[in-house]
Amino acid sequence: GENVEQHPSTLSVQEGDSAVIKCTYSDSASNYFPWYKQELGKGPQLIIDIRSNVGEKKDQRIAVTLNKTAKHFSLHITETQPEDSAVYFCAATTYNNNDMRFGAGTRLTVKP
Amino acid sequence: KAGVTQTPRYLIKTRGQQVTLSCSPISGHRSVSWYQQTPGQGLQFLFEYFSETQRNKGNFPGRFSGRQFSNSRSEMNVSTLELGDSALYLCASRGDLYYNEQFFGPGTRLTVL
Repeated sequence: GENVEQHPSTLSVQEGDSAVIKCTYSDSASNYFPWYKQELGKGPQLIIDIRSNVGEKKDQRIAVTLNKTAKHFSLHITETQPEDSAVYFCAATTYNNNDMRFGAGTRLTVKP
Repeated sequence: KAGVTQTPRYLIKTRGQQVTLSCSPISGHRSVSWYQQTPGQGLQFLFEYFSETQRNKGNFPGRFSGRQFSNSRSEMNVSTLELGDSALYLCASRGDLYYNEQFFGPGTRLTVL
């Protein structure tokens, strides 16, 4: 089955700096890769996703890149703000299937 | 549009008991998935229901079961509770099988004593 690894487990940046979180996956059949943000006491919130027919996707300060050959994808957050502080999860699954496998999470702290 | 709702939000049970958790998906969403989140194992997929049928199942023992009703609401049941079942149980809904974006509820925090 699919195995998703996520690095780093913790990340601390200064407000205004960029943050990058990386994930690798094992199943070449995976073709849908979402990223979730989880704040304390809340469920994960979908922030951006990418499908395997696209190499990069951007939404304001957030971007995701996908390298299918190397089986890795990354989340990039620019101009970080204190409200970006949360735990971020990557995930992988096959399109129309929902056996979604999650990375272990990255705790991002943005210092004001 | 209201989000995914889960009840109860917090639950305390003792070993050997059983528990039922409830999830109401976003209006119009037909798929409901359940996940277990623990500090040690992270987010793990339990099962997915669509049109009252279980489509996929994760690697959990048979003590974990679920069902979906005709209005897409779903329940999850855990029988013979063990200490290791203490976790945050999350429900997520998506519109259809070919629509991968799924939206999570706030979760039910289950503590087994």
